[in-house]
Amino acid sequence: QLQLQESGPGLVKPSETLSLTCIVSGGSISSGTYYWGWIRQPPGKKLEWIGSMYHSGSTYHNPSLKSRVTISVDTSKNQFSLKLSSVTAADTAIYYCARHILSMDAFDIWGQGTMVTVSS
Amino acid sequence: SSELTQDPAVSVALGQTVRITCQGDSLRTYYATWYQQKPGQAPVLVIYGKNNRPSGIPDRFSGSSSGNTASLTLTGAQAEDEADYYCSSRDSSGNHLDWVFGGGTKLTVL
Repeated sequence: QLQLQESGPGLVKPSETLSLTCIVSGGSISSGTYYWGWIRQPPGKKLEWIGSMYHSGSTYHNPSLKSRVTISVDTSKNQFSLKLSSVTAADTAIYYCARHILSMDAFDIWGQGTMVTVSS
Repeated sequence: SSELTQDPAVSVALGQTVRITCQGDSLRTYYATWYQQKPGQAPVLVIYGKNNRPSGIPDRFSGSSSGNTASLTLTGAQAEDEADYYCSSRDSSGNHLDWVFGGGTKLTVL
């Protein structure tokens, strides 16, 4: 059974870069036609799509975050990563990784999420 | 970018039927996808496409769409269905390769 698990620092200082990794187990990140995405949720607020990436490198980003977002895939480690630069308190959120099936317009398998707080 | 609008809160009596709606221009082009999120948990996919349920989702959940409005119908609500429900769709205002979420509807089962 496919599982996703986010990892990374829970606290990031303002203006620094937030870095998270999603480890995929129970299946290969390179198989099928799946994209791999990041979604975040500020405390008490709605979900926000950050971006999605195919294992070959094709990437889509939320236009509102595009200039600050880098998503990469490491097929040898079966994981993918998110980097969000120049963070502010507004970037404080629970960050989820998920499998993204574009043909369904759906994120069908999610990680448990990891809370990231931006504070000095 | 497109916006999806949901009622902030809806309630339903145990065993009754409730409809949760989602409005947005992108829904004239794309189907809504629906997620259930319980407190402290990650979202769970419940409906995608015209009206498709992933394996393990009870058939009391169904989806429909008309014009710019998509609906998630829960027929015979159970106590365990109390949760936040989010709609999502592809954004039709740009390159059609962005995804947006609604503000969520908190469902209370009385």
